[in-house]
Amino acid sequence: EVQLVESGGGLVQPGGSVRLSCAASGFTFTNYWMTWVRQAPGKGLEWVASIKEDGSEKDYADSVKGRFSLSRDNGKNILSLYIQRLRAEDTAVYYCARAGRGPQSSSWLDSWGRGTLVAVSS
Amino acid sequence: DIVMTQSPEYLPVSLGARAIIQCKSSQSVLYSSNNKNYLAWYQQKPGQPPKLLIYWASTRESGVPDRFSGSGSGTHFTLTISSLRAEDVAVYYCQQYYSAPFTFGPGTKVHI
Repeated sequence: EVQLVESGGGLVQPGGSVRLSCAASGFTFTNYWMTWVRQAPGKGLEWVASIKEDGSEKDYADSVKGRFSLSRDNGKNILSLYIQRLRAEDTAVYYCARAGRGPQSSSWLDSWGRGTLVAVSS
Repeated sequence: DIVMTQSPEYLPVSLGARAIIQCKSSQSVLYSSNNKNYLAWYQQKPGQPPKLLIYWASTRESGVPDRFSGSGSGTHFTLTISSLRAEDVAVYYCQQYYSAPFTFGPGTKVHI
């Protein structure tokens, strides 16, 4: 069974930073693009960033470029998202998701974690 | 960026009735080389992560009931729930995966 478990969220001050992690299990992690999607409280879904199965390619939403950094540890099956210079508008549940097409960036998302909440407030 | 729109924003439906949700993309998501529409549908219930329902605009994900169906091509797409059940109350999102950023529609809330 595919499992994605996010962690690292919490209350962070504006201007601060946080590292989110997603532990993957139940599938061959190295065969899949992986993605972060966020959802502000009461709002819709926003695609944030995706990373190729070997980490050599990354795509970011314009709204997060320069502040968000995506990485993966294929030896430990962990996907990470480092967020710096946090703003109030970054407050959201951050979901980790798997690309259904595997080694293809242009893909639907077939498995999702339960998310981790990042709240940016002083 | 491809902008996704959905209508209606709220959709009241009686149990057993048909629900139809529209999704439009600001440019075609039909890839000519393989004749596939890069469009997916997701269902999100309160307090839960999204769940994949449909990909390639009309291919049902494994385990998804056949009362859910997707159709359309190019820039206009439809998700149909043929006979609404109580457990279908949720927000439904379309997403294009034709080109990054892989944008979502704003969602349609289906309620009874």
